[in-house]
Amino acid sequence: AQSVTQLDSHVSVSEGTPVLLRCNYSSSYSPSLFWYVQHPNKGLQLLLKYTSAATLVKGINGFEAEFKKSETSFHLTKPSAHMSDAAEYFCVVSEVRFGAGTTVTVRA
Amino acid sequence: DVKVTQSSRYLVKRTGEKVFLECVQDMDHENMFWYRQDPGLGLRLIYFSYDVKMKEKGDIPEGYSVSREKKERFSLILESASTNQTSMYLCASSISHPGQGNLGGNSPLHFGNGTRLTVT
Repeated sequence: AQSVTQLDSHVSVSEGTPVLLRCNYSSSYSPSLFWYVQHPNKGLQLLLKYTSAATLVKGINGFEAEFKKSETSFHLTKPSAHMSDAAEYFCVVSEVRFGAGTTVTVRA
Repeated sequence: DVKVTQSSRYLVKRTGEKVFLECVQDMDHENMFWYRQDPGLGLRLIYFSYDVKMKEKGDIPEGYSVSREKKERFSLILESASTNQTSMYLCASSISHPGQGNLGGNSPLHFGNGTRLTVT
């Protein structure tokens, strides 16, 4: 069975500082992993996906994530937060299993 | 672009009513999904379908059923609505890759805008 844990329910950062959203997964085989973003009152949008090619995956809007098999992690990062990054972020394992989400707020 | 359309943005129903939520996708995707989204719980899979007339239970199927009579349409049915089914309902579709089983495993989901259902 697959499951995913997002380690932070809320993350608050200042504009221009790095963002780190943590995700650990459990899977009995090599998983596919995704990050989605949901802006307020908007639909879910794919940020990036990992499918066993490069372990460092680049996504849209300057986000990237690193797959670490030894740590069963797939953390999402961005070097410099922008006000428009305020949203809810979901880590997903094997296409369909969502984490509980991390809400990001960005302080001016 | 893939378009997933959910028939209603907001819906208010009474306890005990039979409720139909409709979802249509226009990209000939094999897989379709119904989720509910609740604060602090993320998205939880109710049912999914990987082919016409096929359906599989997700993690929380109790109180729900589905219908997939045509490839592009996937309906979620609440047989007798209850207040604990008040939620945001999201439909999604994805492409299936040959040789990867019923679910591709690495296909991103394309979501509709959701239906916010209130049961009073």
